[in-house]
Amino acid sequence: RKEVEQDPGPFNVPEGATVAFNCTYSNSASQSFFWYRQDCRKEPKLLMSVYSSGNEDGRFTAQLNRASQYISLLIRDSKLSDSATYLCVVPRYGNKLVFGAGTILRVKS
Amino acid sequence: DTAVSQTPKYLVTQMGNDKSIKCEQNLGHDTMYWYKQDSKKFLKIMFSYNNKELIINETVPNRFSPKSPDKAHLNLHINSLELGDSAVYFCASSPGRRGSTDTQYFGPGTRLTVL
Repeated sequence: RKEVEQDPGPFNVPEGATVAFNCTYSNSASQSFFWYRQDCRKEPKLLMSVYSSGNEDGRFTAQLNRASQYISLLIRDSKLSDSATYLCVVPRYGNKLVFGAGTILRVKS
Repeated sequence: DTAVSQTPKYLVTQMGNDKSIKCEQNLGHDTMYWYKQDSKKFLKIMFSYNNKELIINETVPNRFSPKSPDKAHLNLHINSLELGDSAVYFCASSPGRRGSTDTQYFGPGTRLTVL
């Protein structure tokens, strides 16, 4: 099993749709998790941190299921500007982050 | 006011050459990183320095040598470049106590093409 696995997509959704991505991880000792966003040809930027069962920030909700070792990201009311690659990130230890391959989201008008 | 900057942005060179990429952060962070993102878009850590001390050294060919003259700078020197070194190299920094899991802030990347 890979350390961090994501469905690569692409997810093609219309504006206003709700879309969810899942990410599974193998290191049961991981305590914190992150979702980063990467636009085409740009650097990754932190979207959300997840430290306990979940986190919500506006239209974005991240949930953590430790028993099943997966993290999800839900985006409500999708905007064109949400089109990007979403990277699931799990620390191996300390500040050594392991990035998933990313899930591509395309929001269409 | 670029927080993490890298130079050059693009680098095209021939196989066998030696090249360097520079990174600087003005965030006052203690920890800096080098990542490689290959054509399949996997982002993998290569090195990390905390206050000029090497703390992460992944399985990277020894043709790659990082150098940190001070905690605001982390450079990457690559000897004898190979075709497989073509990738985007990202520098990042975090506030970091050593070993802590902090948000990492990435530079804009250096797109290296080896011909």
